[in-house]
Amino acid sequence: KAGVTQTPRYLIKTRGQQVTLSCSPISGHRSVSWYQQTPGQGLQFLFEYFSETQRNKGNFPGRFSGRQFSNSRSEMNVSTLELGDSALYLCASSRTGTETETQYFGPGTRLLVL
Amino acid sequence: AQRVTQPEKLLSVFKGAPVELKCNYSYSGSPELFWYVQYSRQRLQLLLRHISRESIKGFTADLNKGETSFHLKKPFAQEEDSAMYYCALKRGEGGKLIFGQGTELSVKP
Repeated sequence: KAGVTQTPRYLIKTRGQQVTLSCSPISGHRSVSWYQQTPGQGLQFLFEYFSETQRNKGNFPGRFSGRQFSNSRSEMNVSTLELGDSALYLCASSRTGTETETQYFGPGTRLLVL
Repeated sequence: AQRVTQPEKLLSVFKGAPVELKCNYSYSGSPELFWYVQYSRQRLQLLLRHISRESIKGFTADLNKGETSFHLKKPFAQEEDSAMYYCALKRGEGGKLIFGQGTELSVKP
């Protein structure tokens, strides 16, 4: 079974631009979560989508948004990029996102904002 | 507020020595707790979870509700155990994992 895939793997953007990251979950998984990983803040939850609906949201500004398609693939968008948005963005999937389910992580997209 | 604390940023031990990575949580209720591991240049992956009560790669973790801890232990560390270890808490429906800051384990020969 193929794992979670994320594209692109690396991105360089400049301040003020916007960026879209993509995540393809494991086949059959309908819950997709996004996390931001930075050296200072560690791993922080951004949001979770299930059946094309945002079900959970972390404490990030409105510049961070996402969506999920009918095939469970998900995208996240960051508008008006700031230097502090430089991070590794991880996507994770699980079947339905219930409490006891394991989340499987993708390799991440490393975003550098100049 | 729900919080996970891993007090050690770096833990360095010699091969064959016992290792304990500490994890404390704050949550009123019965959380689901996990240990994730990230080896160099690899993706974050599940090591073990509280509900399974299993031993993976020689590691075990016991939930102590009285002390609100979920420490990860291994009696004899191996060099291949060197990695970043993250303790995480999950509560309720939805894929929100709350991670600790992580502990880097370095096992020296």
